[in-house]
Amino acid sequence: QSALTQPASVSGSPGQSITISCTGTSSDVGSYNLVSWYQQRPGKAPKLMIYEVSKRPSGVSNRFSGSKSGNTASLTISGLQTEDEADYYCCSYAGTSTFILFGGGTKLSVL
Amino acid sequence: QVQLQQWGAGLLKPSETLSLTCAVYGGSLSGYYWSWIRQPPGKGLEWIGEIVHSEYTNYNPSLKSRVTISVDTSKNQTSLKLFSVTAADTAVYYCARGRPAMVRGPRFDPWGQGTLVTVSS
Repeated sequence: QSALTQPASVSGSPGQSITISCTGTSSDVGSYNLVSWYQQRPGKAPKLMIYEVSKRPSGVSNRFSGSKSGNTASLTISGLQTEDEADYYCCSYAGTSTFILFGGGTKLSVL
Repeated sequence: QVQLQQWGAGLLKPSETLSLTCAVYGGSLSGYYWSWIRQPPGKGLEWIGEIVHSEYTNYNPSLKSRVTISVDTSKNQTSLKLFSVTAADTAVYYCARGRPAMVRGPRFDPWGQGTLVTVSS
C-alpha cells in the first residue's frame, strides 16, 4: 500500500498559522480516527505531536492541533515560531494487513 | 521518564543480517507495543514492525519475509533482525515505544536516538 500523501513543503511567517495536509484512502485515514503527527528536526529522532487525530501528548504546545475530514487529516500550527521549522510526518493505522503507514513528510520553513 | 538507547553494527555487506538492540530505561516493556521504524538518508519514515507481550508481532508486509522482532524481558530490551540486506536497506533505524497494548493506532513516543546502518560491498 502506498504512503500517505503530504505536500513536500509549506512555509509561513512568524505569528501566522499554517496547515499541513495528509491524504490517504478509505482503507486507512478515512476508516479510522487513528492518525498521529511527528516533528523531526535535522539529525534528531521524530517527536510525537498529535495522536488519535487531535489529542496532544503532555508537554506539546497547544499551538499544535489536528483534525480530519474524510480521507484527509490535517495538522495546524498557529502562532508560528522559528523553532517550529522542521519536517513533519503523518502516520495512520491502515487495518490488520498493512497496519501502519507514514506520509512522505513536509518541510516547514518559517521565513 | 522512559528513555531508549539503541546499538548495533553500522556497516554491513549485501546478504548479511542487520542486528540492532534497544534498551528501555525508566520503564517496563510490559503493557506496550514496541516498534522499529527506519528512514533512508534524505527520505521519509517507514514502519518495520512491532511486538507486544513478548510474542505477538505485526510486520510491514513488504519486509515481513526478512524481519524478526523480539524482546528480552529479563534485560528490558527489544531487538531487530533484518536478513539478506541490500543497499536499499541503508537507513537510520529507530526503536520506539508504541501504543498501550489494548489501544489501536500509531503512537510512537519516545524514540531511540537512531542508528545509521549502511549496506555496501
